[in-house]
Amino acid sequence: EVQLVESGGGLVQPGGSLRLSCAASGFTLGNFWLHWVRQAPGKGLEWVANINEDGSEEYYVDSVKGRFTISRDNGKSSLTLQMNRLRGEDSAIYYCVRGRGWIFDPWGPGTLVTVSS
Amino acid sequence: DIVMSQSPDSLAVSLGERATINCRSSQSLLSSSNKKNFLAWFQQKAGQPPKLLIYWASTRESGVPDRFSGSGSGTDFTLTITSLQAEDVAVYYCQQYYGAPITFGQGTRLEIK
Repeated sequence: EVQLVESGGGLVQPGGSLRLSCAASGFTLGNFWLHWVRQAPGKGLEWVANINEDGSEEYYVDSVKGRFTISRDNGKSSLTLQMNRLRGEDSAIYYCVRGRGWIFDPWGPGTLVTVSS
Repeated sequence: DIVMSQSPDSLAVSLGERATINCRSSQSLLSSSNKKNFLAWFQQKAGQPPKLLIYWASTRESGVPDRFSGSGSGTDFTLTITSLQAEDVAVYYCQQYYGAPITFGQGTRLEIK
């Protein structure tokens, strides 16, 4: 079964850092693009970042450029999102998503990030 | 950025009746190279991550009941649920993957009348 499971969320103060991880199983990670998508409490979906199969290409939504870094370790079947200089508006559930071509499937259950003093 | 707008924001439909959700993009999602519309639909039930229903505007994902169908082309798209079931209560999102950044509609909340 194809599965993605995020971890690393929690409460962090504004200006702080957090590192999210996503563990993949049931498929060969190195064959797929991977994405992070977030959802603020009670709000809609926002694509955050993606990375290509070998990690040589990364793209970000403008609001996180220069603060977030996406990376992957295909040997360990893992995806990471390093989040620095966090702001209140970064508070959200963060989902790890496999890119089947351009198709987003499946999604992990998500991990909650709360930025608050 | 391509802006995705869904209508209505919420709707209530009786069990067994048809539900129709619309999605409009700020620019065409139809590729001239492969003649496909770069649009997907997702279903998100309370407390769960989104689930893929439809991609390429009208291709139903494996395992999705055939009461779900997608249609439209260019800038106007529709998700139709025929014969609404209780388990279809959810928020539905359209998504474009034609241009960067990938963007989603604001969501449509579907309830039982």
